[in-house]
Amino acid sequence: DAGVIQSPRHEVTEMGQEVTLRCKPISGHNSLFWYRQTMMRGLELLIYFNNNVPIDDSGMPEDRFSAKMPNASFSTLKIQPSEPRDSAVYFCASRSPGQTQYFGPGTRLTVL
Amino acid sequence: RKEVEQDPGPFNVPEGATVAFNCTYSNSASQSFFWYRQDCRKEPKLLMSVYSSGNEDGRFTAQLNRASQYISLLIRDSKLSDSATYLCVVSSPSSNTGKLIFGQGTTLQVKP
Repeated sequence: DAGVIQSPRHEVTEMGQEVTLRCKPISGHNSLFWYRQTMMRGLELLIYFNNNVPIDDSGMPEDRFSAKMPNASFSTLKIQPSEPRDSAVYFCASRSPGQTQYFGPGTRLTVL
Repeated sequence: RKEVEQDPGPFNVPEGATVAFNCTYSNSASQSFFWYRQDCRKEPKLLMSVYSSGNEDGRFTAQLNRASQYISLLIRDSKLSDSATYLCVVSSPSSNTGKLIFGQGTTLQVKP
């Protein structure tokens, strides 16, 4: 039974470049969450979707960040342009009604 | 004030010791409570849910005090493999889509 799948697992890029992170939720789950984790700020919710519709994006730090969920099995988080302070681990999680969230392995992003 | 507060530790204990972690939450309307475990450079994973009557899973016991808005996790007979960060998690009362609020985590190091 596949869990949440994220790609890439590691990304190193230069400041100013566009970064796209990808997530495939667990089949049948109807809610999807994007988190960012840093040592300083811990685990922060960026945005979440319910039935492919963005419900709350109040955690998205600024306009450089955008997220989409074109269908039930795929979501992207894009940073354009990237900055060194965006360096963090980005987690995707999914859930079905009545259950708690299951996390993917994360994407470790380094912006030089 | 943070919505979910934990002592970050680290807690350094010998094998076989009993250790307890505490957590407080600010929103009295929160309905669901969890402990997640996160190993170094891994994703958070659900350890156990926390029920009003208290619940036990092997060496782990979780308790909830709604009046004091306080959650605890007790680990008995600690093992080296228990070394990890333990995240106190509370569901957002304003959402029915499973939005979770994570504490900063408490780090446990079990020594031989």
